[in-house]
Amino acid sequence: DAKTTQPPSMDCAEGRAANLPCNHSTISGNEYVYWYRQIHSQGPQYIIHGLKNNETNEMASLIITEDRKSSTLILPHATLRDTAVYYCIVYSNTGKLIFGQGTTLQVKP
Amino acid sequence: DARVTQTPRHKVTEMGQEVTMRCQPILGHNTVFWYRQTMMQGLELLAYFRNRAPLDDSGMPKDRFSAEMPDATLATLKIQPSEPRDSAVYFCASGLVGGTTSEQFFGPGTRLTVL
Repeated sequence: DAKTTQPPSMDCAEGRAANLPCNHSTISGNEYVYWYRQIHSQGPQYIIHGLKNNETNEMASLIITEDRKSSTLILPHATLRDTAVYYCIVYSNTGKLIFGQGTTLQVKP
Repeated sequence: DARVTQTPRHKVTEMGQEVTMRCQPILGHNTVFWYRQTMMQGLELLAYFRNRAPLDDSGMPKDRFSAEMPDATLATLKIQPSEPRDSAVYFCASGLVGGTTSEQFFGPGTRLTVL
């Protein structure tokens, strides 16, 4: 599976959009980008995934660049409960998700 | 609201003792995963099953760890004998995995402390 690079930490003001970047320059054509998050002391939680089109659901939006070498997870109106570690994962159809170190997002009042 | 359940939630044991962790996956999911999380190593995949058959256990120390799925409602992870370095949070996850889909639902974890 392709490796991803994420900033170790980010801050965001409550109510503002949180934009979390991820680089995956070695991604292959059939590999998906998945995002999970882990709130302290809980198991990881699926957020969203995409292949090449932008995706949106009730939790977030995923913007994937045209060359697919990077993506951005957008939480449109961050709340204190969005404070968590966010993992960007490149997935091929092996069934396995390989978690990296993720980005620790701190939402501040 | 379907959830993955894990027991026990916390376990403190002494080195050398056997530890068994249990997981009940979400009904209808075809794949069950075991992960281990530590501060140093992060979240590591230990093993996973598809339709109860082991697919990959390359992340698991073979000499002391074993994972089984005796039926569709129960997955177990056993450590025998346990060592202090096994102290970690162990997560079970299940999902309906196939083709391009790997949305996994995680349980609350078992926090294991080996003294």
